[in-house]
Amino acid sequence: GAVVSQHPSRVICKSGTSVKIECRSLDFQATTMFWYRQFPKQSLMLMATSNEGSKATYEQGVEKDKFLINHASLTLSTLTVTSAHPEDSSFYICSALSLAGDEQFFGPGTRLTVL
Amino acid sequence: GQQLNQSPQSMFIQEGEDVSMNCTSSSIFNTWLWYKQDPGEGPVLLIALYKAGELTSNGRLTAQFGITRKDSFLNISASIPSDVGIYFCAGRGSNFGNEKLTFGTGTRLTIIP
Repeated sequence: GAVVSQHPSRVICKSGTSVKIECRSLDFQATTMFWYRQFPKQSLMLMATSNEGSKATYEQGVEKDKFLINHASLTLSTLTVTSAHPEDSSFYICSALSLAGDEQFFGPGTRLTVL
Repeated sequence: GQQLNQSPQSMFIQEGEDVSMNCTSSSIFNTWLWYKQDPGEGPVLLIALYKAGELTSNGRLTAQFGITRKDSFLNISASIPSDVGIYFCAGRGSNFGNEKLTFGTGTRLTIIP
């Protein structure tokens, strides 16, 4: 149980285009999901907390207009990187909060490369 | 954002050796978690600690929540090839899962053949 999937697993796009990444909780409902970014050989840095039916809460320094988060259902949150630039190239990982509300289960990540 | 300091940054060991790594913080955390991340994958939870002084085992893994609530360690006994990966500690200010996690800087474990 507690499986989280992400789609796509990797994406390459041209500078200036927008990319949408999906995060799904496959066998449980998640009212809260988290989005992280991980640069090569670095740790995970929280970008935002996504709550179903309400606006996401962004961490300091993360542009909400550039990283659009939508959590429209209890099993799906999406992160859209708008007008992507090469410096946005990174590994994006989501997590979903368990039903019991005690732990986060992580997705397999999405590798974004912006040319 | 804040990060937890992990040491060592990397370890090169032989199969069968025991491994020890730790995580320290300048501020108090009320939950400590240890994750393993394989290349190109998301982190997987290994052990969760919720109480200062708590010592918890999961197979060959043992982790402890420091009494000061500012540190934690993870031990791996009799390492095997599948232990290779990056280990992250993570801290949380409360026992509530919806509170954000702060991740450590990571310890990369390599097993020398």
